[in-house]
Amino acid sequence: QLVESGGGLVQPGGSLRLSCAASGFTFSDYEMSWVRQAPGKGLEWVSYINSRATTVYYADSVRGRFTISRDNAKTSLYLQMSSLRAEDMAVYYCVRGNYMDVWGNGTTVTVSS
Amino acid sequence: DIQLTQSPSFLSASVGDRVTITCRASQGIRSYLAWYQQKPGKAPNLLIYAASLLRSGVPSRFSGSGSGTEFTLTISSLHPEDFATYYCQQLNSYPPITFGQGTRLEIK
Repeated sequence: QLVESGGGLVQPGGSLRLSCAASGFTFSDYEMSWVRQAPGKGLEWVSYINSRATTVYYADSVRGRFTISRDNAKTSLYLQMSSLRAEDMAVYYCVRGNYMDVWGNGTTVTVSS
Repeated sequence: DIQLTQSPSFLSASVGDRVTITCRASQGIRSYLAWYQQKPGKAPNLLIYAASLLRSGVPSRFSGSGSGTEFTLTISSLHPEDFATYYCQQLNSYPPITFGQGTRLEIK
């Protein structure tokens, strides 16, 4: 199970930190990603981290503004988001694996003044 | 970056129909393709991985095929609960991991 938290309303230029609590599987064995979905739009991959946090990737749209991290001891995944823009407004999903076989329910990020 | 183009973007069909959704990749991705189903207000659900492997628990009316640049998702006989939006996803070459734009399947 994956449970996201940390979403909310933030002003343009602001910051948020999303968290994802994992349970029911050996978290440290799995690559993880964040995927987002803007209102009425399709799925957009945001960021990836391997099981040991030695490799991270970002979509061009967020590189330099977002930072993915994980704490295997706490079985948690994080996404630090800064310099938020209106186009970052979306539901953010925490997902397991490259073939994304486990999804959280999502946390909503609203960017508005 | 590898682009995925799904067709059609919208599909209207009836219960019992056989439907096929196509996903074309801008360059070869071998068999590194997955299909997801998403219902309104819910997270996506993995149906097919490695182009043709049915995830455990997914009904056998769903099937996937293809390799290289052209892939299909087929539902052999539509059930009422199959009306949803379907996405393909590639992971042959990343970053970035990419998704198709989605195919919305609606009841005729």
